[in-house]
Parts: sequence; C-alpha cells; structure tokens
Amino acid sequence: ETGVTQSPTHLIKTRGQQVTLRCSSQSGHNTVSWYQQALGQGPQFIFQYYREEENGRGNFPPRFSGLQFPNYSSELNVNALELDDSALYLCASSLGGTTEAFFGQGTRLTVV
Amino acid sequence: GENVEQHPSTLSVQEGDSAVIKCTYSDSASNYFPWYKQELGKRPQLIIDIRSNVGEKKDQRIAVTLNKTAKHFSLHITETQPEDSAVYFCAASIRGFQKLVFGTGTRLLVSP
Repeated sequence: ETGVTQSPTHLIKTRGQQVTLRCSSQSGHNTVSWYQQALGQGPQFIFQYYREEENGRGNFPPRFSGLQFPNYSSELNVNALELDDSALYLCASSLGGTTEAFFGQGTRLTVV
Repeated sequence: GENVEQHPSTLSVQEGDSAVIKCTYSDSASNYFPWYKQELGKRPQLIIDIRSNVGEKKDQRIAVTLNKTAKHFSLHITETQPEDSAVYFCAASIRGFQKLVFGTGTRLLVSP
C-alpha cells in the first residue's frame, strides 16, 4: 500500500452542486497530481501542484480548481457539477525532481 | 497533441504463457514510461518503469523494453498466473514534468 490517502471514498452529488475532494500525500512527497478516470478509460491529467503552486494543467475547464497546503496535502474542487463529471478521481504524490507517482485509492464521484 | 496508444485492448492467455502489451507515444521529449496494474475497484499500482536512457528493464517475471527511435515501449509478462489478471495501463511523461499521459488500458485475463 502507498502512503497516499483520499477522502471521501464515495460521494453522490446532484447536478449543479459543488464538491471538494481531499488527498494526503505520501510522507516526504511535495508534489500532488490529480487525475480523472472515467469508467473503462485511463486516467486523465487534471492538474499538478508543486510546493503550493499549480505546475501544469490538463484540458479541464476552470470549474475544476485545486489547492495545495503547506503540509503538501491537496484539495480538488469542482463547481457546477455535470453528469459527465461522474468518475473515479485519483490523486498521485511524488517527489519533485523525480517522476515515480504513487496513487491513492481514489474517490468515486457520482453526479445524479 | 500528446497521445499514447495501447494495444491490445483485451488479452486472454493460459496460465504459464507469456503476455505482451504494446504502447506508442507521440511526444519525442517524453523521458519516463511507467506501467500500472489496476485491479477492479482499486488504485493503479506502479509495477515497473523505464527511463529514456535505458533500453530494457526486468523485475522477476516482468520486463519493459523501450525503442526511442520508433517511440514504442512494451510490457512483457512471463509465466503468467491467474493473479496477473487485471487492467494494465502504460503511460508517458510529458514535457519533462510529472504529468503522465495514459494509454487506454489492456484487460489481461489469465485462465488456469
């Protein structure tokens, strides 16, 4: 098991609502990346945070936003939820300057 | 754009046979190529990775080969076992930082 933990594990929201997902990175890791994994697909890069700054973003709209805190934990916020936002949201932590990324168990978000 | 193609999408083998999964990437600057195994409902688990300065890497029954000229890399599993059954994802790093672009996955089924 990795030291990356995510909360909550499952979540059901209504279209138009807002959601916050949380990730605690592995000890010593200062970089957190967020990915969206739709059913039957590979993970898609949302954005990455390095030392509390956004360090790259994928093709996701501005209603997907994030934060990284001084202890390197991170949040993913999604506003104005749409049905297509239903997916497994994964965070991965790594140490800046290296590339091995270790995933948390994910948050399964269902938008109804 | 950045793209990783993965084949086959499904692969069925008998226990003890070998399995090969192939990926092609588009970004010539990619320098890191991990492989993840994902069991149903679980997190992607890093099983092996290779960097662009190495042509081949082996870890027990698993090996990865990289052909930078052709932008191909492959996962080889020998002496397959039923517990190898899972979805396998290849990925390639983009523009030197830790963003990973994933393939679409290969569902491997190992029959006893």
